[in-house]
Amino acid sequence: QQQVKQSPQSLIVQKGGISIINCAYENTAFDYFPWYQQFPGKGPALLIAIRPDVSEKKEGRFTISFNKSAKQFSLHIMDSQPGDSATYFCAASIGTGNQFYFGTGTSLTVIP
Amino acid sequence: GAVVSQHPSWVICKSGTSVKIECRSLDFQATTMFWYRQFPKQSLMLMATSNEGSKATYEQGVEKDKFLINHASLTLSTLTVTSAHPEDSSFYICSARGLRYQETQYFGPGTRLLVL
Repeated sequence: QQQVKQSPQSLIVQKGGISIINCAYENTAFDYFPWYQQFPGKGPALLIAIRPDVSEKKEGRFTISFNKSAKQFSLHIMDSQPGDSATYFCAASIGTGNQFYFGTGTSLTVIP
Repeated sequence: GAVVSQHPSWVICKSGTSVKIECRSLDFQATTMFWYRQFPKQSLMLMATSNEGSKATYEQGVEKDKFLINHASLTLSTLTVTSAHPEDSSFYICSARGLRYQETQYFGPGTRLLVL
């Protein structure tokens, strides 16, 4: 049973556009929601994370939007660049640093 | 900060041999380390969680006798794939959580294992 559902599976965006990746969860006990970026043959790297007491968090071109009532959160990449082409995973956990439940991943391609 | 290394980055071995993969937290003490397995174009599958000085907790369906995990120090955890077979070929990734970085997990670069 997939605890965190992620969509779309793949995404193609033009350079300069906005990339949007969505995740949904059911377990209301989740209280930590990170996003990871993974390049081929590399380990995931933490991009940005949010807790449910905040509806939005922005770091540079990356923004997480969080909707607690809908149990959804999304990653927005503004001014997308070819270097952003990677696989993005959302995740959720209960408590501090416990097991992460990962989404299925989104393969992002930014075309010049 | 929060750098995690893995060694080796890739390994090719013959069927029936054992392979050891090391995971090190370079600039923090890792109280908990996680081991994942990832198949091509798929998500990360948690194999086991290990706390320093304790036995690892394995996820359902993961053979503890096949995937031996040792977390003997606050900076090192090892995964040994015993009597490896071609179906064990995969990308193995570790992550670490520490006293200084309690909230999240920091991932290593992964180890590609190919069993012939």
